[in-house]
Amino acid sequence: GQQVMQIPQYQHVQEGEDFTTYCNSSTTLSNIQWYKQRPGGHPVFLIQLVKSGEVKKQKRLTFQFGEAKKNSSLHITATQTTDVGTYFCAGRGNFGNEKLTFGTGTRLTIIP
Amino acid sequence: GAGVSQSPSNKVTEKGKDVELRCDPISGHTALYWYRQSLGQGLEFLIYFQGNSAPDKSGLPSDRFSAERTGGSVSTLTIQRTQQEDSAVYLCASSPAGYEQFFGPGTRLTVL
Repeated sequence: GQQVMQIPQYQHVQEGEDFTTYCNSSTTLSNIQWYKQRPGGHPVFLIQLVKSGEVKKQKRLTFQFGEAKKNSSLHITATQTTDVGTYFCAGRGNFGNEKLTFGTGTRLTIIP
Repeated sequence: GAGVSQSPSNKVTEKGKDVELRCDPISGHTALYWYRQSLGQGLEFLIYFQGNSAPDKSGLPSDRFSAERTGGSVSTLTIQRTQQEDSAVYLCASSPAGYEQFFGPGTRLTVL
């Protein structure tokens, strides 16, 4: 079955530093979504990427979808304490009503 | 409108007892997912309902776990003969087919 891996599993950064998490799928995806889960909360949708090579920005967050539609990345510029949480990618395969498969997640902690 | 709701929010039970967890999805959402999340861990997929299709039960960890979705709306996850390793937060999410998932607040299950 489809597997979605994320690296790193954990990342500790000084406030103001940049942060990147990488997502890799074992199969080609029709689209990829990103979610953020704050400590003690539930995952909340951030964005969906559909096109090969697509890049989308949300303020300090930049999301990329690979040309082969098998990998993606989330980059945060100049991290803030509000960025703390676990970031999950989630990919959907190409067949019909295929379910969304979540990645393993990257937990980001910020050192003030 | 109301989001995804789950009940109970917390459940403490004794080993060997059966428990039922309920999920009320957003009205009109055709897809419904159940996940399990242990402390500090990622999302473990359990089961996926999509419209009238047969559910994808590939994530259920044992035959003690079952789920149903009545009338394409409310879903119940049942765990029989609970074990201590079943302790976790159980998250439900719903979505329109192919779009973002909306998560409920989760049910924290503790098996003593």
